[in-house]
Amino acid sequence: DAGVTQSPTHLIKTRGQQVTLRCSPKSGHDTVSWYQQALGQGPQFIFQYYEEEERQRGNFPDRFSGHQFPNYSSELNVNALLLGDSALYLCASSSRGSPDTQYFGPGTRLTVL
Amino acid sequence: EDQVTQSPEALRLQEGESSSLNCSYTVSGLRGLFWYRQDPGKGPEFLFTLYSAGEEKEKERLKATLTKKESFLHITAPKPEDSATYLCAVVFSGGYNKLIFGAGTRLAVHP
Repeated sequence: DAGVTQSPTHLIKTRGQQVTLRCSPKSGHDTVSWYQQALGQGPQFIFQYYEEEERQRGNFPDRFSGHQFPNYSSELNVNALLLGDSALYLCASSSRGSPDTQYFGPGTRLTVL
Repeated sequence: EDQVTQSPEALRLQEGESSSLNCSYTVSGLRGLFWYRQDPGKGPEFLFTLYSAGEEKEKERLKATLTKKESFLHITAPKPEDSATYLCAVVFSGGYNKLIFGAGTRLAVHP
């Protein structure tokens, strides 16, 4: 049973560029959440997708956007990258039967130069 | 403001030396409290969910407990492979499934 997968593993971008990160949820899961984790901090909630719609959003600017596809996979897009966007981006999935318990992927390490 | 505070920030133990990590929270309508383990550069690994005061969960050398204001993660006779950052998170009523995390406790167990 495959867990949550994310791609790419690492990414280096320069300020002002745009980036797309991808996530495939755990088998049987239909809800995907994205988190940003700065070094030495706990993950911060970006947004959550369910039934291809953004259901809730954290305190992140509109430069952060996402999408969920019919197969429940998801993308996180970040425009106009800033140095402060450098972080580990985590995707988590959960199921309708146990919506609160979220399982995380390995993350994508984004470095903005 | 909803907050989760973990203490200590870092903990160094000798192998076999038992201890406890603390997670205190100030949220309205706690729906669940979660413990995760995170190894460096990896995603958090789910450990436990606690829903009500008095509840306890165990897994190998770890035991999590919950009161109305805090949770403890007890580590009994730890081994070096228990070294990791332990994260606490909460979900509150009206917050859908948004996890609010603490900053974590970095645990180092030395042989």
